[in-house]
Amino acid sequence: GDSVTQMEGPVTLSEEAFLTINCTYTATGYPSLFWYVQYPGEGLQLLLKATKADDKGSNKGFEATYRKETTSFHLEKGSVQVSDSAVYFCALSGRSNYKLTFGKGTLLTVNP
Amino acid sequence: DTAVSQTPKYLVTQMGNDKSIKCEQNLGHDTMYWYKQDSKKFLKIMFSYNNKELIINETVPNRFSPKSPDKAHLNLHINSLELGDSAVYFCASSQEGSGGYNEQFFGPGTRLTVL
Repeated sequence: GDSVTQMEGPVTLSEEAFLTINCTYTATGYPSLFWYVQYPGEGLQLLLKATKADDKGSNKGFEATYRKETTSFHLEKGSVQVSDSAVYFCALSGRSNYKLTFGKGTLLTVNP
Repeated sequence: DTAVSQTPKYLVTQMGNDKSIKCEQNLGHDTMYWYKQDSKKFLKIMFSYNNKELIINETVPNRFSPKSPDKAHLNLHINSLELGDSAVYFCASSQEGSGGYNEQFFGPGTRLTVL
């Protein structure tokens, strides 16, 4: 079945540091890929998405590129802020199913 | 305007009780979901409904019964609550056929605590 593996946290960075959170997937066909963010005490918000190979999703300074050859969708940000502290989830959706398969989440803490 | 709303936000109850969580979406979507997030933040699909029809039931105990009175609502009823049911439950919705991908919009969650 489909699965998503993302790097274990927690990740602690200083403000303005570079962020990478690795995500790899296993799926049949050509899934769509997502990064969701969960701020403390809140629900999940879509951060960015990519629907086909080589697509780059971007939002709020975050980027991720759909790499079919390495089955990866790593999340990056050049300069993190304290307000980016949250749990980040990588997820995939097959084209013919009705669910998101999530990675285990990575807790990011950014210190001033 | 809230896109996906859930009530209640917090639910504390005794083992053995029956409780319900309600979800409503005003996005005009035709597919709704329930997810469970455990204490380690792991998210797992429980149910998915498309146009009021159950299409996914991921090995959830029979004590959990979803009900979709219309496309905008998906409620979750839980019988005989157990300690292990303590979790955060998220409702979500999406529109089928939206460009071939499944972008889901999530509610704020209901934190269920079973004592």
